[in-house]
Amino acid sequence: ETGVTQTPRHLVMGMTNKKSLKCEQHLGHNAMYWYKQSAKKPLELMFVYSLEERVENNSVPSRFSPECPNSSHLFLHLHTLQPEDSALYLCASSLGTGLESPLHFGNGTRLTVT
Amino acid sequence: GEDVEQSLFLSVREGDSSVINCTYTDSSSTYLYWYKQEPGAGLQLLTYIFSNMDMKQDQRLTVLLNKKDKHLSLRIADTQTGDSAIYFCAEITYTSGTYKYIFGTGTRLKVLA
Repeated sequence: ETGVTQTPRHLVMGMTNKKSLKCEQHLGHNAMYWYKQSAKKPLELMFVYSLEERVENNSVPSRFSPECPNSSHLFLHLHTLQPEDSALYLCASSLGTGLESPLHFGNGTRLTVT
Repeated sequence: GEDVEQSLFLSVREGDSSVINCTYTDSSSTYLYWYKQEPGAGLQLLTYIFSNMDMKQDQRLTVLLNKKDKHLSLRIADTQTGDSAIYFCAEITYTSGTYKYIFGTGTRLKVLA
């Protein structure tokens, strides 16, 4: 039990599909993040939400659309993805966005785009 | 640039010590972290060190920090097969009014029985 739960664990989708990734944290944290993990590349920060407000959007293509309805839930809506979007998508949360707020990660969603 | 560098692979024999190295870029980083990722899982915080320290020990883990060379290392004593995982070094930097984590590519540790 990591305190950060991601569903689904695995997702296979075609390029024309629409799907959503879900993340839920039970740690009472105020900040939530989406990261993309591809093989042999550093973790790429995609989005940061603090107190349900988006504070960072790292030049992510518009086919990825985040949603944070409350401080415990974070979604990543996917639409017309490309095969190069296949990766492990990790959600994380932290108490705040400042110093000494280590990230707590979920187990990720392994996404395959066919 | 904002690169945190690590070697990609390390193999050790069970019972030996493992040393995983990392170089970071931002000399003003105040916290440096080590995360562990086991197969099929997310990253788990292992330990962290504050920049005014040069060493931190936590059971089998020893973190060494050389601020002058911007070099961080993680030593695992008496390495076990359960320590096989990918280890990520991360620094936290302050850019454009926000704090941001920069992760390395990760070092895959393989422990041989």
